[in-house]
Amino acid sequence: TQLLEQSPQFLSIQEGENLTVYCNSSSVFSSLQWYRQEPGEGPVLLVTVVTGGEVKKLKRLTFQFGDARKDSSLHITAAQPGDTGLYLCAGAYSGGSNYKLTFGKGTLLTVNP
Amino acid sequence: NAGVTQTPKFQVLKTGQSMTLQCAQDMNHNSMYWYRQDPGMGLRLIYYSASEGTTDKGEVPNGYNVSRLNKREFSLRLESAAPSQTSVYFCASSGSRDRGWFNQPQHFGDGTRLSIL
Repeated sequence: TQLLEQSPQFLSIQEGENLTVYCNSSSVFSSLQWYRQEPGEGPVLLVTVVTGGEVKKLKRLTFQFGDARKDSSLHITAAQPGDTGLYLCAGAYSGGSNYKLTFGKGTLLTVNP
Repeated sequence: NAGVTQTPKFQVLKTGQSMTLQCAQDMNHNSMYWYRQDPGMGLRLIYYSASEGTTDKGEVPNGYNVSRLNKREFSLRLESAAPSQTSVYFCASSGSRDRGWFNQPQHFGDGTRLSIL
């Protein structure tokens, strides 16, 4: 079973603070996706990372894929209330004829004005 | 630009009743998925269809059936609803280009909120 552990599960911070969300597994993933979900809506893709050590930036969001492709992090600089939402990581796994996309349980971020 | 459309948005059922959740995508995607989302459990895959004409079980398939009606439509059926199936159900689709369906970004609908009494 390929499990993704996300931490922290909940995060409440003040506007302007920085934060990091972690996504860890004991399995090697062929790619890893990060999604953001707002209440009453479906998740929306933020980024996909594929190569070990890869770093992608999306405005104030920085995504990193671990060198061994077993972990990833999302760093938000100077958080704003509009960043509030549920952040989900999803790892794609292929082993022999077994293919899978597994979601973590999510990090619920609240940014207070 | 509809993307993935799910119907209904809300539904209340009694235990033992049956119903079908509908999903349609207009992005010409090959792969489609059904997930359920429960507090503290994240998104769990119920069934998926990697391409038209194929369906496979995901992580939590018991109590559900699916039909890939055509390339656009993928329905989820609860034959005899149980309170444990109270959840928010999401349909998603993705392309299946190089590197396989499981590596492609998923496009989600806005969900069906299902309560079973």
